[in-house]
Amino acid sequence: EVQLVQSGAEVKKPGESLKISCKIYGYSFDSYWLGWVRQMPGKGLEWMGIIYPDDSETRYSPSFQGQVTMSADTSINTAYLQWRSLKASDTAIYYCARLVSESTVYFDHWGQGTPVTVSS
Amino acid sequence: QSVLTQPPSVSGAPGQRVTLSCTGSSSNIGAGHGVHWYQLLPGTAPKLLIYGDNNRPSGVPNRFSGSKSGTSASLAITGLQGEDEGDYYCQAYDSSLSGYVFGTGTKVTVL
Repeated sequence: EVQLVQSGAEVKKPGESLKISCKIYGYSFDSYWLGWVRQMPGKGLEWMGIIYPDDSETRYSPSFQGQVTMSADTSINTAYLQWRSLKASDTAIYYCARLVSESTVYFDHWGQGTPVTVSS
Repeated sequence: QSVLTQPPSVSGAPGQRVTLSCTGSSSNIGAGHGVHWYQLLPGTAPKLLIYGDNNRPSGVPNRFSGSKSGTSASLAITGLQGEDEGDYYCQAYDSSLSGYVFGTGTKVTVL
């Protein structure tokens, strides 16, 4: 069974760093792109970027380029999303999701989400 | 900001049929990359409901159906049930942005 299990809720102060994780089960981690999606409080879903774990190729949404870093460790089937210096506006729920590329491209399995709160 | 526009809310009585719209442009829905729909229920992970305009993944009830015409797409829910209350998002690939775009989201309320 395909599962994406994300790390738990985080409460941080502005300026602090953070790395959240997404551990996958039930499929070959290095054979699918994996994406990250943000949902700010009371707002909709926003695509942040995708990573191909096999070679760590990344593609960022222009809105998030330079703001976050995606990475992956194939030895432990885990993807990461990290911030060097958090801002209050980073407060959101962050989802990881597996990207399926067939005749069309879509996210077929999602993690449960990691709530991140940034407040002084 | 979202490039796919959805109505903020839709409501219906149990058993009724509701339709959610998703309006895009020639660089996303109209480009034929496929429209996908996701269901977000309170406290649960997002769930894929429809992929490739009108395909249901295994396990999704046939009460959910998708369609597309030109630069717009629709999700229909027939036999509305209380468990369908939640937020629904359309999604497509945008050629101009070279990225994946989501709709603004529609909240479904069962009266």
